[in-house]
Amino acid sequence: AQTVTQSQPEMSVQEAETVTLSCTYDTSESNYYLFWYKQPPSRQMILVIRQEAYKQQNATENRFSVNFQKAAKSFSLKISDSQLGDTAMYFCAFMNKNSGGSNYKLTFGKGTLLTVNP
Amino acid sequence: DAGVTQSPTHLIKTRGQQVTLRCSPKSGHDTVSWYQQALGQGPQFIFQYYEEEERQRGNFPDRFSGHQFPNYSSELNVNALLLGDSALYLCASSSPRGRYGYTFGSGTRLTVV
Repeated sequence: AQTVTQSQPEMSVQEAETVTLSCTYDTSESNYYLFWYKQPPSRQMILVIRQEAYKQQNATENRFSVNFQKAAKSFSLKISDSQLGDTAMYFCAFMNKNSGGSNYKLTFGKGTLLTVNP
Repeated sequence: DAGVTQSPTHLIKTRGQQVTLRCSPKSGHDTVSWYQQALGQGPQFIFQYYEEEERQRGNFPDRFSGHQFPNYSSELNVNALLLGDSALYLCASSSPRGRYGYTFGSGTRLTVV
């Protein structure tokens, strides 16, 4: 079974600064997807960024980028130029990329509460 | 383009009762998954429906059951409610295989008293 660990329950950052959220995972699979989701107080889980394990290049989406270290099973999220609207719970998630079938479930970490201070 | 719609938003039930939660997937999506999120925790996978069949199930008892309709909408049913079933229930939809990520609804907050 896959596990996802987020070792930082809470973090804070000043507006306009950069912050990095950590995530490690454990799997015996070689082909999978990794995601970062954001959950603001509105409760809706919003996809921030995704990474395919077979791609060595780190994914980027505007101010959000990841540092994917496959051998170390590490998948950290860097938020640049932090904004007040980035305040939310951030969840790291793993999905196995099975072939032949629709068995695609997400395994989440426990989350990191990020607060951006003015 | 409507995203994932869940109803109701909040619900209070008594121990032992039964509850039905509903989900309409995002337009163009045909796979629906349900997750339970306890307070302060990450979501836990309950089950996934595709082509009106349960394709995969997480570690949840048989009291949790579901259904998917021909229009891809889905229901989550929980029988014999326990206090521990109090949680946020999230519905997520995707295209087949979910490779582009799932779109989540805002959830149903269930409180069992």
